[in-house]
Amino acid sequence: GAVVSQHPSWVICKSGTSVKIECRSLDFQATTMFWYRQFPKQSLMLMATSNEGSKATYEQGVEKDKFLINHASLTLSTLTVTSAHPEDSSFYICSASPRNQPQHFGDGTRLSIL
Amino acid sequence: QKEVEQNSGPLSVPEGAIASLNCTYSDRGSQSFFWYRQYSGKSPELIMSIYSNGDKEDGRFTAQLNKASQYVSLLIRDSQPSDSATYLCAVNRGAAGNKLTFGGGTRVLVKP
Repeated sequence: GAVVSQHPSWVICKSGTSVKIECRSLDFQATTMFWYRQFPKQSLMLMATSNEGSKATYEQGVEKDKFLINHASLTLSTLTVTSAHPEDSSFYICSASPRNQPQHFGDGTRLSIL
Repeated sequence: QKEVEQNSGPLSVPEGAIASLNCTYSDRGSQSFFWYRQYSGKSPELIMSIYSNGDKEDGRFTAQLNKASQYVSLLIRDSQPSDSATYLCAVNRGAAGNKLTFGGGTRVLVKP
């Protein structure tokens, strides 16, 4: 089945640090990847759609200058949380799918900002 | 009204019984429907997809879709303690790989 790899799985850093999270499709090419955020005891909230070779599409209320997305190849999208603060602490999850197939999720990145 | 609604639970089910989960959606243009299972602290795992009205069975899981009534359900037969998790209903427009709208999830507890 489709495999989506996400790295790192856990990040703890100081307030003001920028953190980069990688999402890779291992056995298929993905022109589109999705980034979600999940706070404790809440459901997944879509942050943005990452489009290969073009700008990401952000959901309403998500700051594009704070959450930088780069999708430079058909197998890699990155999310950079710039100048992270404690309120950015959350579980960040990416997803991707082979053409016309359901989305599969990476293992997620737990981000803790001190 | 939320786009995708689920009862948050917890749904408590004795081991070996059937767990029945329901999901309603508001967008009549929705064409693809999914059930994901999420264990605490983990990312969602796809367990079922359904695209046309009726039932779809896969092992102990059966998904049911009724587009006229705008609901999709999931039955878990012979529930096991390992089925204890949060089950997320997700829908999208168009192709299966399009962006998903998730419900809030139903927490299921299977008691030995």
